[in-house]
Amino acid sequence: KNEVEQSPQNLTAQEGEFITINCSYSVGISALHWLQQHPGGGIVSLFMLSSGKKKHGRLIATINIQEKHSSLHITASHPRDSAVYICAVDRSNDYKLSFGAGTTVTVRA
Amino acid sequence: EPEVTQTPSHQVTQMGQEVILRCVPISNHLYFYWYRQILGQKVEFLVSFYNNEISEKSEIFDDQFSVERPDGSNFTLKIRSTKLEDSAMYFCASTSGISYEQYFGPGTRLTVT
Repeated sequence: KNEVEQSPQNLTAQEGEFITINCSYSVGISALHWLQQHPGGGIVSLFMLSSGKKKHGRLIATINIQEKHSSLHITASHPRDSAVYICAVDRSNDYKLSFGAGTTVTVRA
Repeated sequence: EPEVTQTPSHQVTQMGQEVILRCVPISNHLYFYWYRQILGQKVEFLVSFYNNEISEKSEIFDDQFSVERPDGSNFTLKIRSTKLEDSAMYFCASTSGISYEQYFGPGTRLTVT
């Protein structure tokens, strides 16, 4: 069983819609990361969180440590949000990350 | 803003050849990583490096792989005798160890023919 599971695998939205991506994990963690990967392949860190909620622009990330679950929300989605969003967890042995399979988000104009 | 850099951006090599992928982590970071992503698959951990030695490696990181930090700034991944299945995007990352945040390089796409 994968340590990190994401859903949905793919998501298509109309511009302006609210998007939610879910991540569940099965191990104890010290932090959870949300990453964005664009078609060119580069990975950008969006959020790192170990409790509660963080907001950056139109992006919101939440985590529930007891339920081992995190969500990434995109409000007022835009075509430039189209990317693969990856959840990764840090088991704090030496900060190495275990990755989910990613959610491919396509936002249509 | 400081960033992790990787060279080359794309490397094509023949099966059995040695390749060296280069990374320059952020200068005050202490923990360094190599990850790889085979096309269409998830990102996988290869190896972590701290205090000038490997701190953890995955089962993928067999005797054909090695890492080095030869001069205090570069962090290299060597594949001794490449196989077709080594074709992937290789990402270098680093973290300060004060925060858990990891900074990724842009990746090197390795194609083994």
